[in-house]
Amino acid sequence: DIQMTQSPSSLSASVGDRVTITCQASQDISNYLNWYQQKPGKAPKLLIYDASNLETGVPSRFSGSGSGTDFTFTISSLQPEDIATYYCQQYDNLPPLFTFGPGTKVDIK
Amino acid sequence: QVTLRESGPALVKPTQTLTLTCTFSGFSLSTSGMCVSWIRQPPGKALEWLALIDWDDDKYYSTSLKTRLTISKDTSKNQVVLTMTNMDPVDTATYYCARIDYGSGSYFSSANFDYWGQGTLVTVSS
Repeated sequence: DIQMTQSPSSLSASVGDRVTITCQASQDISNYLNWYQQKPGKAPKLLIYDASNLETGVPSRFSGSGSGTDFTFTISSLQPEDIATYYCQQYDNLPPLFTFGPGTKVDIK
Repeated sequence: QVTLRESGPALVKPTQTLTLTCTFSGFSLSTSGMCVSWIRQPPGKALEWLALIDWDDDKYYSTSLKTRLTISKDTSKNQVVLTMTNMDPVDTATYYCARIDYGSGSYFSSANFDYWGQGTLVTVSS
């Protein structure tokens, strides 16, 4: 099975800061990579699909890039409502298998 | 409007079988491309994918848990059921159901969990 790593595991930044999270796959996954935001006590919410596509209704300060094994998730200007844990998730086509990264917790400094 | 809701016991004893139901609306599991998955999250830990059932009644399971899992659907009731045998305290987690829409009706297309239920916490304890 493909393994996913994320770094950092947590970060603290100021409102307005640019925040970057990286996700690495143990083997080439092309662009089969999604990003989710999870606020405490809530279900995850899809933000970015297929590495760089913004889900409908998601603010444009969120973006994603990368392909192969290395991916980046960016919040261009951190807002108080962005406090959450962010997960990357890869998928295989057939059979469909899904693996989540360990998560990155984002706090306000 | 797509909604999903999980239901089931909040507490199960070790060695028992857990049965969870996902009741959904706003889409049909008989529509080509539609799938429902189960995902769990132990307290304070990461998400773990468990199982998927598709529009054609094909079923797929986590490699590490496949011997303990069974997923099924009742299309007429808009429900998906997950059973997990031989429950252990390490299985204590919030269990979510979520939708995947393979719009093209093929697995060789974009796959993401676009709608989620609110989750149900299952505690395994004697």
